Amino acid sequence: AQKITQTQPGMFVQEKEAVTLDCTYDTSDQSYGLFWYKQPSSGEMIFLIYQGSYDEQNATEGRYSLNFQKARKSANLVISASQLGDSAMYFCAMRDMYNNNDMRFGAGTRLTVKP
Amino acid sequence: SAVISQKPSRDICQRGTSLTIQCQVDSQVTMMFWYRQQPGQSLTLIATANQGSEATYESGFVIDKFPISRPNLTFSTLTVSNMSPEDSSIYLCSTRGGPNYGYTFGSGTRLTVV
Repeated sequence: AQKITQTQPGMFVQEKEAVTLDCTYDTSDQSYGLFWYKQPSSGEMIFLIYQGSYDEQNATEGRYSLNFQKARKSANLVISASQLGDSAMYFCAMRDMYNNNDMRFGAGTRLTVKP
Repeated sequence: SAVISQKPSRDICQRGTSLTIQCQVDSQVTMMFWYRQQPGQSLTLIATANQGSEATYESGFVIDKFPISRPNLTFSTLTVSNMSPEDSSIYLCSTRGGPNYGYTFGSGTRLTVV
């Protein structure tokens, strides 16, 4: 069974600095996708970044990058130049690309950006 | 990517009553997913809804409590029945029509049961 672990319930970062949110996963599947979502207080889920299990390069999307270490089964999210609007819950998620099953989510990390 | 309109965005309901949440997708999608997010928790899958067949429920969720309809490829509803305060959560619908085969979510329904 797939399992996603986010060990940081809450994180603080100073505005304009970088922050890393940790995510480890456990799966026996060979082909899978890793996702990060942002959930502001409004409750919507906003897609941030994707990493495929066969992708050799780390994914980047603007200020977001994913530090993918396949052997260690980790997929940490790095946010550079933090902004006040980055304060939100962040969820790491994974799905098996062959079974088309549902997406499983980690417990989430609440990020607070301080001015 | 698909766009999902979900309503209501929030509601306050009396215990013992039922609430139906609607999700409309702007394109045809095969599967829709319903999630519950209890306060301060992560998302938990309630059920998967395919058009033309009964929904598949995850362990701990039953059809009598969370009946789901999927009349066509662009629409689904979730009903939270005989509500109690423990049902106070955010409920989210989603589909696979997102970037990189990820999921697109509706804006969520914040339910409070009093």
